[in-house]
Amino acid sequence: QVQLQQTGPGLVRPSQTLSLTCAISGDSVSTNSATWNWIRQAPSRGPEWLGRTFYRSKWLYGYAESVKGRISISPDTSKNQFSLQLNSVTPEDTAVYYCVRELHGGKWEDSWGQGTLVTVSS
Amino acid sequence: QTVVTQEPSLTVSPGGTVTLTCASSTGAVTSGYSPNWFQQKPGQAPRALIYSSSNKHSWTPARFSGSLLGGKAALTLSGVQPEDEADYYCLLYYTGAWVFGGGTKLTVL
Repeated sequence: QVQLQQTGPGLVRPSQTLSLTCAISGDSVSTNSATWNWIRQAPSRGPEWLGRTFYRSKWLYGYAESVKGRISISPDTSKNQFSLQLNSVTPEDTAVYYCVRELHGGKWEDSWGQGTLVTVSS
Repeated sequence: QTVVTQEPSLTVSPGGTVTLTCASSTGAVTSGYSPNWFQQKPGQAPRALIYSSSNKHSWTPARFSGSLLGGKAALTLSGVQPEDEADYYCLLYYTGAWVFGGGTKLTVL
């Protein structure tokens, strides 16, 4: 049973960088049979997929158009984790952020981090 | 910008049947979009119900079913229970990126 444990600050100043990390247990970030994703949900809004990283002979990445240019997701094989960086944040980036595993073939299941409420405020 | 559209709200009586749909701005939704459905209750993370259009997870109640219907992905609840009142989101895959629908607020009344 995979478990995802998120860490990172709950308050970020405007124009600064939001950084979160997701530690994986019960699976490997380098597996060929899953992708590792970040999803966020702003207050009273629906979820928004932000991006993913995965390994298929090499590291691959995908990002949502809405945040492309500001986002970076990176794996850390030595610590079996992956991280999210979102640059130049504004109050509109205030949301609960989740790390989530998707199994190969488009199977989203119950492997979610606990969620981190990140507030962007001065 | 790809847009995934769901009914904003639906109301169903207990014991009734309701179908929620998920449409893509790019055209007909097919199995290639790998439709997934999630249920979300207040204060909780979304919970996966359906993957690959119609496949259920081990925890998905039998009254939930997924399909492709008239160019859309669909989630049908048969014999609705009061505990099914929740927000429902579809998720579609577009060559390298996933996009959530705006969600349907289902009221059981």
